[in-house]
Amino acid sequence: AQKITQTQPGMFVQEKEAVTLDCTYDTSDPSYGLFWYKQPSSGEMIFLIYQGSYDQQNATEGRYSLNFQKARKSANLVISASQLGDSAMYFCAMREDNYAGGTSYGKLTFGQGTILTVHP
Amino acid sequence: KAGVTQTPRYLIKTRGQQVTLSCSPISGHRSVSWYQQTPGQGLQFLFEYFSETQRNKGNFPGRFSGRQFSNSRSEMNVSTLELGDSALYLCASSPRTSAYNEQFFGPGTRLTVL
Repeated sequence: AQKITQTQPGMFVQEKEAVTLDCTYDTSDPSYGLFWYKQPSSGEMIFLIYQGSYDQQNATEGRYSLNFQKARKSANLVISASQLGDSAMYFCAMREDNYAGGTSYGKLTFGQGTILTVHP
Repeated sequence: KAGVTQTPRYLIKTRGQQVTLSCSPISGHRSVSWYQQTPGQGLQFLFEYFSETQRNKGNFPGRFSGRQFSNSRSEMNVSTLELGDSALYLCASSPRTSAYNEQFFGPGTRLTVL
């Protein structure tokens, strides 16, 4: 069974500094996808970044980068130059790839989340 | 392009009642998934629909059901509501055309069971 672990219930960072949010996962499926989502107090889940299990390079999306260490089964999110608007709950999620007709689909398994607070 | 919409946004029901939540995916998206979010259990997968067929199901009792229509809109139904069903119900749609099939989430329906 898949499992996602986020060990940091809460993190604090000073504005303009970088912060790393930890995520470890466990799966026996050789093909999987790792996602990070941001959930502000409004409740909507906002996609940040994706890493496929066969991707050779770490994913980057603007100020977000994913530190993917496959052997250690970790997929940490790095936010550079933190902004006040980054204050939110952050979720790491994994999708087990089930192939049908050449496309992948499947449920997302989420971690418990990390509350990030950015101080001015 | 409009995002995923969910109606209603807020709902109050009493134990024993039933409820139907609606989700309209992004135009062109044919996959819809539902998740339940509670403070105690976190985010849990309910089910996924694609082309009007349920493709995947989470570990929830039979009181939770869903369906998808030919226009990809989806509904989920919870019968005989229990206090523990109080949660934020999130719907997500996916185009299923890219290699990784990112899921785009709606704003959610917050259900309170009294």
